[in-house]
Amino acid sequence: GNSVTQMEGPVTLSEEAFLTINCTYTATGYPSLFWYVQYPGEGLQLLLKATKADDKGSNKGFEATYRKETTSFHLEKGSVQVSDSAVYFCALSDRGGTSYGKLTFGQGTILTVHP
Amino acid sequence: NAGVTQTPKFRILKIGQSMTLQCTQDMNHNYMYWYRQDPGMGLKLIYYSVGAGITDKGEVPNGYNVSRSTTEDFPLRLELAAPSQTSVYFCASSQGVGSSYEQYFGPGTRLTVT
Repeated sequence: GNSVTQMEGPVTLSEEAFLTINCTYTATGYPSLFWYVQYPGEGLQLLLKATKADDKGSNKGFEATYRKETTSFHLEKGSVQVSDSAVYFCALSDRGGTSYGKLTFGQGTILTVHP
Repeated sequence: NAGVTQTPKFRILKIGQSMTLQCTQDMNHNYMYWYRQDPGMGLKLIYYSVGAGITDKGEVPNGYNVSRSTTEDFPLRLELAAPSQTSVYFCASSQGVGSSYEQYFGPGTRLTVT
């Protein structure tokens, strides 16, 4: 079956530091990959996505590249802000006809950014 | 601009009680999903629906039931609450393949069973 593994957390950074959150996956097919973000007390929001190998998803200064050869989708941001403090989830969904977008999530990484 | 709404926000149940978690979306999405989020864990899929009248089990369906009588609503029913069902429950919806199945999530229901 499918699985997603995220780097162990939590992650604590100072403002303007560089962020990397590692994500690797196992999938039987050729999945679509996502990063979702959950701010305190809220539901999840899609941060970025990539649907094929070498695609780069980007949004709000965050980037992630779909690496099929290493089955990875690492999240990066060059300069984090206090407002980026949240829980980040890596997820995948199969692209087969009967997958219906069902998501498999990693365990989440808590990011705290200090001024 | 409501998106996906869930009620209630919080609930405490006694063991053996029943309740329904409500989920409504106003985006005319065919696909809807229920997930649970346990502390320190990712979300796990409970049930999903691909349209009105069509539902199917996800990864962790035991102890739950769903129905989908309209496109907008997708309630989740707990019949005999157990402490193992203490969790945060999220409902989500998706337009489908045209949007790469991007999912929109509600704010969640925090359920405690004691």
